[in-house]
Amino acid sequence: SQKIEQNSEALNIQEGKTATLTCNYTNYSPAYLQWYRQDPGRGPVFLLLIRENEKEKRKERLKVTFDTTLKQSLFHITASQPADSATYLCAPSSAGNNRKLIWGLGTSLAVNP
Amino acid sequence: DAGVIQSPRHEVTEMGQEVTLRCKPISGHDYLFWYRQTMMRGLELLIYFNNNVPIDDSGMPEDRFSAKMPNASFSTLKIQPSEPRDSAVYFCASSSPESQETQYFGPGTRLLVL
Repeated sequence: SQKIEQNSEALNIQEGKTATLTCNYTNYSPAYLQWYRQDPGRGPVFLLLIRENEKEKRKERLKVTFDTTLKQSLFHITASQPADSATYLCAPSSAGNNRKLIWGLGTSLAVNP
Repeated sequence: DAGVIQSPRHEVTEMGQEVTLRCKPISGHDYLFWYRQTMMRGLELLIYFNNNVPIDDSGMPEDRFSAKMPNASFSTLKIQPSEPRDSAVYFCASSSPESQETQYFGPGTRLLVL
């Protein structure tokens, strides 16, 4: 079955450093993969989408990579700020249905001032 | 432009009672999704609609759950009868024809069944 794994442990980093979050998927090849941010008590918010034929996508301080050989996506936040503290969710598209997303459990990021 | 609207924001009920959750998607969006989120299982897709028609309800846990979308601006998720294991945060999300993959989430309904 399709399986998504994200760093299960919370990530704590110092302000100004680069945060790197990992998303691994198994047993299928998604057509695209999305990253969302979720703050406590709120719904997820879309950040970036990367397609299977793209290696890298950037948006301001955010960068996403997509390695279809390793079946892995990396999400980077450069020059991190305390306001970046949140849970980050990886969501690849489902096999055979591009409208359905398979969600990881998320990685909690804390950026310390 | 208002985002996805959900009501109520919090619901506390007793086991066996009927619970109805409501969602208003973003105007012009043609897909609507209902999710359930728990710490242990994360976000689980329950059902989704396209142009008010249910497309995939394979995530609905059992017959106690039902969902309807009578028009493009309103959807309900009903649990009858509710059980303590239904306690979770329920999210509604919608997506547009122009940006098909991206989903816009509402604030969620936090349900507690005692």
